[in-house]
Amino acid sequence: TQLLEQSPQFLSIQEGENLTVYCNSSSVFSSLQWYRQEPGEGPVLLVTVVTGGEVKKLKRLTFQFGDARKDSSLHITAAQPGDTGLYLCADSSGTYKYIFGTGTRLKVLA
Amino acid sequence: DTGVSQDPRHKITKRGQNVTFRCDPISEHNRLYWYRQTLGQGPEFLTYFQNEAQLEKSRLLSDRFSAERPKGSFSTLEIQRTEQGDSAMYLCASSSQRTEAFFGQGTRLTVV
Repeated sequence: TQLLEQSPQFLSIQEGENLTVYCNSSSVFSSLQWYRQEPGEGPVLLVTVVTGGEVKKLKRLTFQFGDARKDSSLHITAAQPGDTGLYLCADSSGTYKYIFGTGTRLKVLA
Repeated sequence: DTGVSQDPRHKITKRGQNVTFRCDPISEHNRLYWYRQTLGQGPEFLTYFQNEAQLEKSRLLSDRFSAERPKGSFSTLEIQRTEQGDSAMYLCASSSQRTEAFFGQGTRLTVV
């Protein structure tokens, strides 16, 4: 069974700081999704990456997919309080079923 | 269409009672999923429908749980004889063959 490990588990930073969170898989990703989830809400899709070495940017968020397609990172530049939430990586595991990591809980202090 | 809709958003019930949740997927999506999420964890897969057919059920889905999607549109998830361990966020998602899964806002269940 594929396992997705995310690190760090918790992160508390000041507004304006940069941060990176990581997602590592026990097996090769089929396709990797990053979601953000706010308290009491469902996960919201941020990005999908498929190709090894791929880099995608979404405003202040930069997503990188490892060459071997077993790891990924999410870098946030100049974090803002609105970035606060649970960041989840997920794999469709080549089927319809999504496997999620345990998440990184980010808090950005004003 | 504004996305996946779940009802109710919150449900508090006494142990032993039955509860039913509803999910309305994005209209053009033929795939529908139920997930459960407990505090501090990522969502865990419960079951999957393609159109009206339930194609997979997780071992997490005990005999007290049943899900339906009678006309291939909305879905319901029923929990019979609720237990405190059933307290969680129940998430519904939908997709098509060409899209990623889009989630609803979830139903937060508290069993007291």
